[in-house]
Amino acid sequence: GEQVEQRPPHLSVREGDSAIIICTYTDSATAYFSWYKQEAGAGLQLLMSVLSNVDRKEEQGLTVLLNKKDKRLSLNLTAAHPGDSAVYFCAVTYQGGRALIFGTGTTVSVSP
Amino acid sequence: DPKIIQKPKYLVAVTGSEKILICEQYLGHNAMYWYRQSAKKPLEFMFSYSYQKLMDNQTASSRFQPQSSKKNHLDLQITALKPDDSATYFCASSPDSGNTLYFGEGSRLIVV
Repeated sequence: GEQVEQRPPHLSVREGDSAIIICTYTDSATAYFSWYKQEAGAGLQLLMSVLSNVDRKEEQGLTVLLNKKDKRLSLNLTAAHPGDSAVYFCAVTYQGGRALIFGTGTTVSVSP
Repeated sequence: DPKIIQKPKYLVAVTGSEKILICEQYLGHNAMYWYRQSAKKPLEFMFSYSYQKLMDNQTASSRFQPQSSKKNHLDLQITALKPDDSATYFCASSPDSGNTLYFGEGSRLIVV
């Protein structure tokens, strides 16, 4: 089945810096890619999603890049602020898949 | 107001007992899911339902039984509880058969 690896597991940055999280997946049939944010004690919140025909998407200080050749998905938090401190998960599913497969999560800490 | 309500938020149970985790969603979605999050396996898909019918089951143990009494309800009954069942259980729903998920805040279960 699909395997999703996410790195790094922990990331500490200063306010205003960028933070990059990378996920790699194994199934070339993967068709839908998402990033979720989980704040302490809360459920996951969808940040952004892209279809497999999209290489790059930017929204509100977030950039998602998809490299299908390398089976790599990345999330770039530009100009991070303390409110971005949370655990971030990538998630993928393939065409006809019935459930999202999540990465292992990255704990991001943004210090003032 | 939360659109996906999970009850209880916290639960301590004795080994061998039985508990039911409640989930109600008010997003009008037809697909609902259960995921489990623990230190050992960050986010693990358990079940998916569509129009109150089981679509996918990735949980090996029959001790876990989803129950859907209404279209917007998907409860999770867990019998013969074990300490290894300790985790946070997240209910989710989807407008698009699972490409994007909306999560509840979770039910944190501790089995002693």
